[in-house]
Amino acid sequence: AQTVTQSQPEMSVQEAETVTLSCTYDTSESDYYLFWYKQPPSRQMILVIRQEAYKQQNATENRFSVNFQKAAKSFSLKISDSQLGDAAMYFCAYRTGDNYKLTFGKGTLLTVNP
Amino acid sequence: ETGVTQTPRHLVMGMTNKKSLKCEQHLGHNAMYWYKQSAKKPLELMFVYNFKEQTENNSVPSRFSPECPNSSHLFLHLHTLQPEDSALYLCASSQAGTGTYEQYFGPGTRLTVT
Repeated sequence: AQTVTQSQPEMSVQEAETVTLSCTYDTSESDYYLFWYKQPPSRQMILVIRQEAYKQQNATENRFSVNFQKAAKSFSLKISDSQLGDAAMYFCAYRTGDNYKLTFGKGTLLTVNP
Repeated sequence: ETGVTQTPRHLVMGMTNKKSLKCEQHLGHNAMYWYKQSAKKPLELMFVYNFKEQTENNSVPSRFSPECPNSSHLFLHLHTLQPEDSALYLCASSQAGTGTYEQYFGPGTRLTVT
């Protein structure tokens, strides 16, 4: 069974600094997708960034980028120039290529200090 | 209304009550999901509906009864719940099939069972 592990229950960062959230996953599949979702306090969960396993290039969305290490089964999220609005719970998620079920990690609570 | 909406946002019910949670998506998707989010635990997928047909039941107790009358609406009927069922219940939708189809989440219903 696929599992997703987020080893950092909580992280904090100073405003304007950079922070990296860790995620590892376990799978025997070769075709899969990885996602980072953000859940602000009392607000809806939204997709931050996605990565297709067949793509070697790391995905980037503005201040958010990933470090995808396929051999190590690692998928970390880097947030640059952190802003107060980045404070949220961040979930790493995985799905196989032929199944739309998402498997989530337990989440990392990110605090941004002014 | 846009995106995925859920009503009610908060619900307190006794163990002998019967209530229903409602989810509606305005995105033209054809897959809908119910998740349970408890503190300190990963999101748990409960049910998946694909083109109104239930394709996944993740060993959910029968006191939770889903209903999907069409691709835009999803209900979760609740009866004789237990205190451990208190959680945030999230609805999501996506395009069905393979590919990087992201799931869009609703704001959730915060359920408290007394």
